[in-house]
Amino acid sequence: AQSVTQPDIHITVSEGASLELRCNYSYGATPYLFWYVQSPGQGLQLLLKYFSGDTLVQGIKGFEAEFKRSQSSFNLRKPSVHWSDAAEYFCAFRTEGGYQKVTFGTGTKLQVIP
Amino acid sequence: KAGVTQTPRYLIKTRGQQVTLSCSPISGHRSVSWYQQTPGQGLQFLFEYFSETQRNKGNFPGRFSGRQFSNSRSEMNVSTLELGDSALYLCASSFMGRNTEAFFGQGTRLTVV
Repeated sequence: AQSVTQPDIHITVSEGASLELRCNYSYGATPYLFWYVQSPGQGLQLLLKYFSGDTLVQGIKGFEAEFKRSQSSFNLRKPSVHWSDAAEYFCAFRTEGGYQKVTFGTGTKLQVIP
Repeated sequence: KAGVTQTPRYLIKTRGQQVTLSCSPISGHRSVSWYQQTPGQGLQFLFEYFSETQRNKGNFPGRFSGRQFSNSRSEMNVSTLELGDSALYLCASSFMGRNTEAFFGQGTRLTVV
């Protein structure tokens, strides 16, 4: 079955520390991969996307993600977290034959402590 | 450039009633998708419309329906509301094509009492 797994439900980091959020997908080919962020009561904002090509992709707000085909992973990273990064982060994918249907992971809530 | 607009932002309905939610996509986007977000089930795909045709449907009962108009605006309807329908309903729009991404609205928070 096609799915995406985010193993960490909650993560707490200190402001200024580095961050890595894990994401693994299950699909027979390479899907289109995304990371979205959601602040409480708000919609989803796209942080970055991977379609093909360079496996290290840069996004907004200083985030980057690396696609590793051998590990079926697409982990999100940020070298130095800011208090405003506290939110919920969703990894997601779309398949070529699935039109615009996006499958989401369960999300990781990020808490940032001063 | 205006983003995806969803109206209303908040809604309170009584069990058994029906509700209609509206979504205006980004100008030029012809694909509109709907998602339900709940604490227990997370983000679940409801359906997708393109050129006024439903192209994809998630695993929801027939009480959930939608449509798309010629200007790409979309509505979703939920009939005979149940308490479990309380959720944040998100609309997303996108261009068609392989290397495209979905842009989401702020959502409509539906509370069924």
